[in-house]
Amino acid sequence: QQQVKQSPQSLIVQKGGIPIINCAYENTAFDYFPWYQQFPGKGPALLIAIRPDVSEKKEGRFTISFNKSAKQFSLHIMDSQPGDSATYFCAASMGIDNQGGKLIFGQGTELSVKP
Amino acid sequence: DTAVSQTPKYLVTQMGNDKSIKCEQNLGHDTMYWYKQDSKKFLKIMFSYNNKELIINETVPNRFSPKSPDKAHLNLHINSLELGDSAVYFCASSHGRFAGSEAFFGQGTRLTVV
Repeated sequence: QQQVKQSPQSLIVQKGGIPIINCAYENTAFDYFPWYQQFPGKGPALLIAIRPDVSEKKEGRFTISFNKSAKQFSLHIMDSQPGDSATYFCAASMGIDNQGGKLIFGQGTELSVKP
Repeated sequence: DTAVSQTPKYLVTQMGNDKSIKCEQNLGHDTMYWYKQDSKKFLKIMFSYNNKELIINETVPNRFSPKSPDKAHLNLHINSLELGDSAVYFCASSHGRFAGSEAFFGQGTRLTVV
């Protein structure tokens, strides 16, 4: 119930394409859904995040779509660039005091954007 | 200035040894975490501390002992290292321990047990 399932495991697109990464969860107590980007040899860094009362959030070329009834959310990268090549993680957390702000991560998607 | 810094970045050691990883954050956050990233890049929380108090211990073996001397530091000591402990360990911090508070991660410590 505390799992977040992410797909695909890897993704290759051409420059300018729109990669889409999907995540699904079971626990309806989750109320914060961030996406993290990780480059090789670096720690994950927050990219964009959404709350379940919003169906879509856009920041620059990155958009989260959120479907509360289906318990699914996805990341879209518009006009993808080679510099977007990284591993992307969806995550979830719940606003319960004893959960300590912990993030439950998906399995990660390795994105490669070809020039 | 590095927001969350870990030392060392690389650690190679033999089975059975004891080792420590240090973490410091200069963001003024009151909550710090240790996450483990395995060889398949899966990230899983190990511990969470809020104001030096242990909040989360995700059924981590007793060989792992976190220590928080103050709000800005969270160190991880590992006793009797095993081959399966090889992974990348990330320290992170956030303002508050509730959902919605951005977690900032360090650059990671790659631990290799031989």
